[in-house]
This record gives sequence, structure tokens and C-alpha cells, in this order.
Amino acid sequence: DTGVSQNPRHKITKRGQNVTFRCDPISEHNRLYWYRQTLGQGPEFLTYFQNEAQLEKSRLLSDRFSAERPKGSFSTLEIQRTEQGDSAMYLCASSSDYPTGELFFGEGSRLTVL
Amino acid sequence: AQSVTQLGSHVSVSEGALVLLRCNYSSSVPPYLFWYVQYPNQGLQLLLKYTSAATLVKGINGFEAEFKKSETSFHLTKPSAHMRDAAEYFCAVSDLGGGGNKLTFGTGTQLKVEL
Repeated sequence: DTGVSQNPRHKITKRGQNVTFRCDPISEHNRLYWYRQTLGQGPEFLTYFQNEAQLEKSRLLSDRFSAERPKGSFSTLEIQRTEQGDSAMYLCASSSDYPTGELFFGEGSRLTVL
Repeated sequence: AQSVTQLGSHVSVSEGALVLLRCNYSSSVPPYLFWYVQYPNQGLQLLLKYTSAATLVKGINGFEAEFKKSETSFHLTKPSAHMRDAAEYFCAVSDLGGGGNKLTFGTGTQLKVEL
């Protein structure tokens, strides 16, 4: 168990560019979550996967955001045509199917849009 | 919808003093509640969780929390603060309505520990 891994840890981009973040969950976890955290705020839910199926999306996830988990293992979060308001820490977490199972978080990917 | 409210965005204590971080929840069903800690530029680490067993929950690093249904509270405490406890603390409630184990977080409390 190597924990949840996220790459890249930091990304600086210019407005209008596309960026992609990758998350590798704990191997035996079927559930994977993406959250966004801005300075001074708690994490906000973006989306959730059960295996490869994306079961829930927050209204925070605009059309410029897309997440995939093609084989039920790693996941990617892509942001197209980035805006300055997209600057945030993007956190990935995974959990087991057990109802009271806690979420295990990665260290996050910090995005800065200039 | 379930939610949590953390009272006090910043709390400052002296080393060795009691730590009390407040969290109140709103839920239409018996909640599962969590406390996480976040150190600068890192992800969140679970401190403890309440899942309808014992109302007094002990966690890592000497922290504990008590579930009080009558007060809809789940406050986090530690008898004696250490410098290493300085971090941001988040209370969260689990969505039992089909969102997997999705958590809804509070806005966080920044704990400062002074000598």
C-alpha cells in the first residue's frame, strides 16, 4: 500500500491552456473522488467514480472539466481553456466500498493559472 | 443535504494547553462524522471517525472527539497541545445518500500553538 499518488504536484499554466492531472488510488480501492480546495476553504467535492463508472458530478464541474477512470484504476482530471479562477489545489482520494470507510487523500496537485 | 459548521476559523493556544475545535453538523439521518488534519502543502490525513458506535472516539496523536446528538456537535479535543499540532483541521460528514463515501467538509480551523 503506497497510498494515493498525484501528479504533477505543481502546475503553472497560462490562461486558456489545457491541463491534466493524474491520480493513482490505493490499489484495492474501488471508489475514487476528486475535490478542489481554494485558499482558506475546505475541500469541495467535484466528482466520484465507482470502478470505471462516474456516478456523481458536482455542479462545480463545468463543461471545461472532464474526469475519467478508464480501467477502474488511475484517474485523470482535465481542465480545458483554463481560467484564473481555476487556480486551486486539486485533491484526489480513494476509499473502499465499506460504508464507513474513510477517504484516503493524496498530497494534491496545485494549479496556478497566470 | 448534510453539512458541517466549524466555529472559529483560527484558534490559538499555548503549548501544553487544552485544544478545543468546534464542529456542528446538520443531517437528516444519523451521520458518520470525521476529523481530518492538513499540514501545509499536503493532503488530508484522518484523525478519527464516528460511525455510530461509541460516542467518544479516540484518534491519532492524542486527539479525541465526542458525538453529542442533543447538541448536534462533534467537537475535537486534545488535553495538551504540542507545537507539531499546528495545522488546519477539517470536520466532515459522510453522504449516505448514494454518493459513495463522499464527504462534505467544513471550512476548516487553523490551529496555532504558541510557546
